[in-house]
Amino acid sequence: GQNIDQPTEMTATEGAIVQINCTYQTSGFNGLFWYQQHAGEAPTFLSYNVLDGLEEKGRFSSFLSRSKGYSYLLLKELQMKDSASYLCAFLTRSYKLSFGAGTTVTVRA
Amino acid sequence: GAGVSQSPRYKVAKRGQDVALRCDPISGHVSLFWYQQALGQGPEFLTYFQNEAQLDKSGLPSDRFFAERPEGSVSTLKIQRTQQEDSAVYLCASSPPVQETQYFGPGTRLLVL
Repeated sequence: GQNIDQPTEMTATEGAIVQINCTYQTSGFNGLFWYQQHAGEAPTFLSYNVLDGLEEKGRFSSFLSRSKGYSYLLLKELQMKDSASYLCAFLTRSYKLSFGAGTTVTVRA
Repeated sequence: GAGVSQSPRYKVAKRGQDVALRCDPISGHVSLFWYQQALGQGPEFLTYFQNEAQLDKSGLPSDRFFAERPEGSVSTLKIQRTQQEDSAVYLCASSPPVQETQYFGPGTRLLVL
């Protein structure tokens, strides 16, 4: 079976840093994705990790540990526009994305 | 360039009515995926095409759901005899080969009354 867990909600202050953790269990794995989704909009691609380690892309970084079934998304210098749902998903052996329920991040002034 | 487009953006159907949802993938993208997203949840896989071949339909919830991609480009998801539990956002995504990033369309929000 397949399972993926992430916190439901997080709140942080503008300019701060937030780390969203994601754990997964799967019998087949082809990489870990993070998507951002604003209310009523499509998920937009943020990052992709297939090997262990940290991938940095501007204010956003993503980390993967395959042996631990663990990833995190790090959002730095938070801006109000970063308020959104963040979806963790792994790519299965059959190439479909298996998503978590999403973490709603609220950025406060 | 143009992203993934979907139509209609919103659809209200009476219970029992058939609906057809359209997806135009990014030009040249070989792989096309359909997902269903309930309120407050992550997207759930429905089906996957590589060109015109439907390689995986394991996520389709019932035989009322049918998807096609006859020419390997545009895809249609059809739901027959809609039920209230079919109310959701239906997302389409495309990617070059399957191993690469899937890009999502804006979705069709279906409400079945």
